[in-house]
Amino acid sequence: QLQLQESGSGLVKPSQTLSLTCAVSGGSISSGGYSWSWIRQPPGKGLEWIGYIYHSGSTYYNPSFRSRVTILVDRAKNQFSLKLRSVTAADTAVYYCARYCTSSSCPRYSFEDWGPGTLVTVSS
Amino acid sequence: QSVLTQPPSVSGAPGQRVTISCTGSSSNIGAGYDVHWYQQLPGTAPKLLIYGNINRPSGVPDRFSGSKSGTSASLAITGLQAEDEADYYCQSYDSSLSGSVVFGGGTKLTVL
Repeated sequence: QLQLQESGSGLVKPSQTLSLTCAVSGGSISSGGYSWSWIRQPPGKGLEWIGYIYHSGSTYYNPSFRSRVTILVDRAKNQFSLKLRSVTAADTAVYYCARYCTSSSCPRYSFEDWGPGTLVTVSS
Repeated sequence: QSVLTQPPSVSGAPGQRVTISCTGSSSNIGAGYDVHWYQQLPGTAPKLLIYGNINRPSGVPDRFSGSKSGTSASLAITGLQAEDEADYYCQSYDSSLSGSVVFGGGTKLTVL
């Protein structure tokens, strides 16, 4: 049973960088057919895809975030990370990491597994 | 403004049938990309409910079903139960922007 767990700072000051890590257990982040994604949900609002990364390191980002987001993978630690620069109050949200299926051997192009989410508040 | 359009809310009495629509365009649902549905219970992470337009993951009751036609998709829930009260999101892929995953704005289901 694959498990994902987000961790990182719950409070970030405006203009600083939000940093989160997603630890993957019960499976390898290097498994073919999957990519690893970040999704966020502002309080009381809907889901917003941020981007995903393949174990090879290839990344795809939502154009809305592309200029200030970086997603990296650490195969040795079986985890991946999110950095979002120059944050404002509008970046306050619950941030989820999720496994995104990209092959026909799983529910293709869907988010099959999710972490519980972590609330990040941007405030001085 | 979400790329995929869902009604903000729907409601139904226990035992009834409700449907939730998800309307896209020629660059996502209409282009043939699959639609997936997620159920988000209060205070929890979303859970995959329907994938590939019509398929249920193991453990999802057959009261939940999905369909797709043209530029729209629908989620139907029959035999409504109190525990179905949740937010529901559709998701697809949009070819207008590389790698773009798109979500609907979400629909709040209230069981009366």
